[in-house]
Amino acid sequence: QVQLQESGPGLVKPSETLSLTCTVSAGAISNYYWSWIRQPPGKGLEWIGHIYYSGSINYNPSLKSRVTISVDTSKNQFSLNLSSMTAADTAVYYCARDQGGVMGLGLFDYWGQGILVTVSS
Amino acid sequence: DIQMTQSPSSLSASVGDRVTITCRASQSIRTYLNWYHQKPGKAPKLLMSGSSSLQSGVPSRVSGRGSGTDFTLTISNLQPEDFATYYCQQTYGAPWTFGQGTKVEIK
Repeated sequence: QVQLQESGPGLVKPSETLSLTCTVSAGAISNYYWSWIRQPPGKGLEWIGHIYYSGSINYNPSLKSRVTISVDTSKNQFSLNLSSMTAADTAVYYCARDQGGVMGLGLFDYWGQGILVTVSS
Repeated sequence: DIQMTQSPSSLSASVGDRVTITCRASQSIRTYLNWYHQKPGKAPKLLMSGSSSLQSGVPSRVSGRGSGTDFTLTISNLQPEDFATYYCQQTYGAPWTFGQGTKVEIK
């Protein structure tokens, strides 16, 4: 069974850049789209963006100016960088697999456990 | 962006009850509507796609319907494992967006 695990800092200072990595195990990163999704405490879900294993990328326009998603197929990992962090970016950040394969359907069938990132000085 | 609005925001029900959650899109999304549920401290779980197609392993007492802008999720014979927060999601247009959630609590 595919497993995803987020890693990175739990605390980021305002104006700094958040860097998170998602490691995919028990399955290849190939032939799927991989997404980042976040959830502010007590609130709903926001799709941040996704990347295909070959490098095709789409971002949520609301975050596009601050987001970079990349993939490292040799390590079975994909990463998120989010710049100019503010308190509004405090959230649980999830990585997830899109079950649609090359289609990128937005159907997230496997998720990481999530990592809480707090923005505070 | 396509806005997704769920109602109610929360509801209380008992084991064995039937509950219905409504999701409305700000424009037609045909049947590009999916449902997830989420338990406290856990990642969401995909329940249904295409408005009414159950994911493998999801019990048949969960059903969905709708097209265009109005959709419903119905859970019959509510079981303890069904108490969770439910989210609808549209995948008709980018960026994919979610409703604000409906919390199903034990009465």
